[in-house]
This record gives sequence, structure tokens and C-alpha cells, in this order.
Amino acid sequence: DSGVTQTPKHLITATGQRVTLRCSPRSGDLSVYWYQQSLDQGLQFLIQYYNGEERAKGNILERFSAQQFPDLHSELNLSSLELGDSALYFCASGTSGSFYEQYFGPGTRLTVT
Amino acid sequence: AQSVAQPEDQVNVAEGNPLTVKCTYSVSGNPYLFWYVQYPNRGLQFLLKYITGDNLVKGSYGFEAEFNKSQTSFHLKKPSALVSDSALYFCAVRDFYGGRDDKIIFGKGTRLHILP
Repeated sequence: DSGVTQTPKHLITATGQRVTLRCSPRSGDLSVYWYQQSLDQGLQFLIQYYNGEERAKGNILERFSAQQFPDLHSELNLSSLELGDSALYFCASGTSGSFYEQYFGPGTRLTVT
Repeated sequence: AQSVAQPEDQVNVAEGNPLTVKCTYSVSGNPYLFWYVQYPNRGLQFLLKYITGDNLVKGSYGFEAEFNKSQTSFHLKKPSALVSDSALYFCAVRDFYGGRDDKIIFGKGTRLHILP
């Protein structure tokens, strides 16, 4: 168990809808990273927050947004969902702001129908 | 452009034999290199990293990796494979731009099968 929690575990929704994925980092970790894992794209870095501030941005679509709250938990919002957004979404946390070792949560499997 | 390649989709090794999982990278500056492992229905687990210093890096579960700057490689190795090492292995590279342009790129993964 990495100490990173993600909810929900599974999510099934329809095209055009909006969903929110939640992540609680390990105790003491200030960084939260979001990733998307799919069969065709592999594991893609989406965005990083460090102590409440956006720190780095990867291949995140404009339909997606994230934030990190004062208690350091983070939410990833996915809107206007398309079939191609179906994937496993991972959150990871770390102590530093610099992509050092990351501790991954179990993931949220999103299915868009 | 920053990239990382894992040339083998799958590697099969007999239990007790040494294993190698290959990774090559391309970055504009000095690389930060990582190996992660993913077991079925689980998130990734950190194995080891190279930032600077000794080219041979030791990590979790008896794994090690050798940084080779001239060949731009960071191959993962273990002297004696266990059946429990069977999993999906990811190599990753971070290219340091500073600030919001920092990125990490993961390879496509190599599935390691250890045969009993």
C-alpha cells in the first residue's frame, strides 16, 4: 500500500458528461501528479501540483482541469467526455516538486459509453 | 525532443537466470532516469532512480540499473530472477527545463515473464 488513495475506483459515464476524480496524497507529501494510462497512448503525464500551486503541465487537454486544496488533496475534473477518454487515471504523490520518486495510487478506471 | 524507448514489448527469462530490461533515452540536458514496476490491477511502484553520481544504481527488490551516457541507456538488471518479478516495467526520463516546462516521459513498458 503506497499510502495514496483515489476515489472512486471505477466510474462509468456517458459521452458529454463531466466527472471528478479525487486523490489524497501520502501524509507529508506536497506534490500531486496526475497521469492517464491507456492501451494506445501508454502512460501520459497530465499535470503536477505542489503545495497548492500548479507546478508543471504535460499533455492535459483543455477539457480537463485539476486543483490542489489547502489540505493537499487534489481533484481532476474531466468534462465533455469522449469515448477516447476511457482510461485508467492515476494520481501519484511525492515529497519534492521535482519529479523524484513518486508513490502511485491504485487508480480510477473511467469508462465512457 | 525528450523521449524514452523500451525496445522490447516482452522479455522471457527462466527463474534463477539474470534478467535485463532495456531502456534508451533522449534529452536535451542532463537526464533524471527512473524505473517503475506495475503489478496487475495496481498502481506503479518506484524501483530506483539516477540523478547524478555513481553510474550503477541499486534499488528495491534486488534490482539495479546502469546509466551509460555514451549509449544514452539505462538498462534494468537483476542477477537472479524470481517468478514474483513477473510484471510490467516502465522506464521514465525527466528533462529539466525549470519550472512549469518540466516534464516526465514514460516508456511504453516491457512485460517481464519469469518462467518457473
